Amino acid sequence: EDQVTQSPEALRLQEGESSSLNCSYTVSGLRGLFWYRQDPGKGPEFLFTLYSAGEEKEKERLKATLTKKESFLHITAPKPEDSATYLCAVQVLGTGGFKTIFGAGTRLFVKA
Amino acid sequence: KAGVTQTPRYLIKTRGQQVTLSCSPISGHRSVSWYQQTPGQGLQFLFEYFSETQRNKGNFPGRFSGRQFSNSRSEMNVSTLELGDSALYLCASSPGATNEKLFFGSGTQLSVL
Repeated sequence: EDQVTQSPEALRLQEGESSSLNCSYTVSGLRGLFWYRQDPGKGPEFLFTLYSAGEEKEKERLKATLTKKESFLHITAPKPEDSATYLCAVQVLGTGGFKTIFGAGTRLFVKA
Repeated sequence: KAGVTQTPRYLIKTRGQQVTLSCSPISGHRSVSWYQQTPGQGLQFLFEYFSETQRNKGNFPGRFSGRQFSNSRSEMNVSTLELGDSALYLCASSPGATNEKLFFGSGTQLSVL
C-alpha cells in the first residue's frame, strides 16, 4: 500500500534556527513529490514539485530535496511567519489516473 | 483570477442526516479532487473527477459520493452522517489531466452532533 510518513509531527524553533523536515515514502510508480504549506483555517498552498532523485528546488528560506526514498524540506534562518503545517504528498498512478496521497504533516512553530 | 470556492464554510448536522457540499474550481480547471482532513488522520483522498467522470476513489464507504457537472463544478454528498464524519472537507482543482499541482479551497468544516 502506498504510504507517506512525515517527521517530526511538530517542531519548535527559535527565529534564525535552521532545521529540516523529513518525508519518507513507500509507493509504486512515483510520478512526483510535492510540498505544501497549510495555515490554520485555510487549504494547503503549493510550494514545490520534485520529480527525480537529486533534484532540488528553492524558494526564499525553503529548500526541498529528493532521494529515492525520502525528501527533505530545509528551512534556513526561519522567521515567525514561517509557522505553519508543512505537508508532503506523492503522486502515483491509480486505476483511473494519477492520484495524490498526503502525509500527516509537520507543524512548525517559530518563536521570535 | 478567482480561487477555488467551497460552500458552505461551516455546517452543523446531526447523526443520520445527509449533507451536500459544493466546490467551484478555478476557471478553466477540469479536474476536481476531494479530501477529508482530521487532526488524527491528516488529508485522506476521497475521489477525483475529470470532465464529469470519476477517475479515482479512496477507501471510504459508499455513504460518500460525488459528482461533477459540465461546468466543472463539483458536489460531494454524505448520507447517514456519523459522528466520525466530523472533519474539514477540502476541494482542490487542477488545470489538466495529470493533477501535477493542486489548488485548494478553504474547505467546509462539518460538525456532526
